Amino acid sequence: EAGVAQSPRYKIIEKRQSVAFWCNPISGHATLYWYQQILGQGPKLLIQFQNNGVVDDSQLPKDRFSAERLKGVDSTLKIQPAKLEDSAVYLCASSLDRGREQFFGPGTRLTVL
Amino acid sequence: RKEVEQDPGPFNVPEGATVAFNCTYSNSASQSFFWYRQDCRKEPKLLMSVYSSGNEDGRFTAQLNRASQYISLLIRDSKLSDSATYLCVVHQGSGNTPLVFGKGTRLSVIA
Repeated sequence: EAGVAQSPRYKIIEKRQSVAFWCNPISGHATLYWYQQILGQGPKLLIQFQNNGVVDDSQLPKDRFSAERLKGVDSTLKIQPAKLEDSAVYLCASSLDRGREQFFGPGTRLTVL
Repeated sequence: RKEVEQDPGPFNVPEGATVAFNCTYSNSASQSFFWYRQDCRKEPKLLMSVYSSGNEDGRFTAQLNRASQYISLLIRDSKLSDSATYLCVVHQGSGNTPLVFGKGTRLSVIA
């Protein structure tokens, strides 16, 4: 079974630039999550989708971050404009349904200079 | 009090040792509990779910204490390959509530 795919794996940008990350969840998984993991911390949920609807985006900095999952499958996370403190690994995860085991993608390591 | 708290470690133990980690959670309505393992520069992977009755998977045993609001992970006969960060994860309710991750406990098993 194919796992969660993410791209790119690494991205280096300058502050105030824009960046977008892509995630393809495991086939059939209704729930998709985006997490931000800063070095030395546990993953912090940014946004949770159930199919193509947003379930929880309470910790998403909406002034600069946006995410969508238009057809209920792939998802993109965008940062515009980026700040230095956005340097982190952005993890996408999916699960069959809410509250079930989550499977993580390899993450995108973002460095903002 | 933080939602999910773990001792960050590091725990440095020799091969063959038994090591235990605890994790406390603040929301008494929490329903589901998990231990994830994260290797350096890798994504978290589910190690085991934690059931009310406790559960064991080979050298790993997980326990839940609802009264004191903590879960534990015991690793027996530690292997070098057990070196990783162990993340405690709590599902605070049902349905739409998200999983909350602890900051993790780092384990180094030394030859």
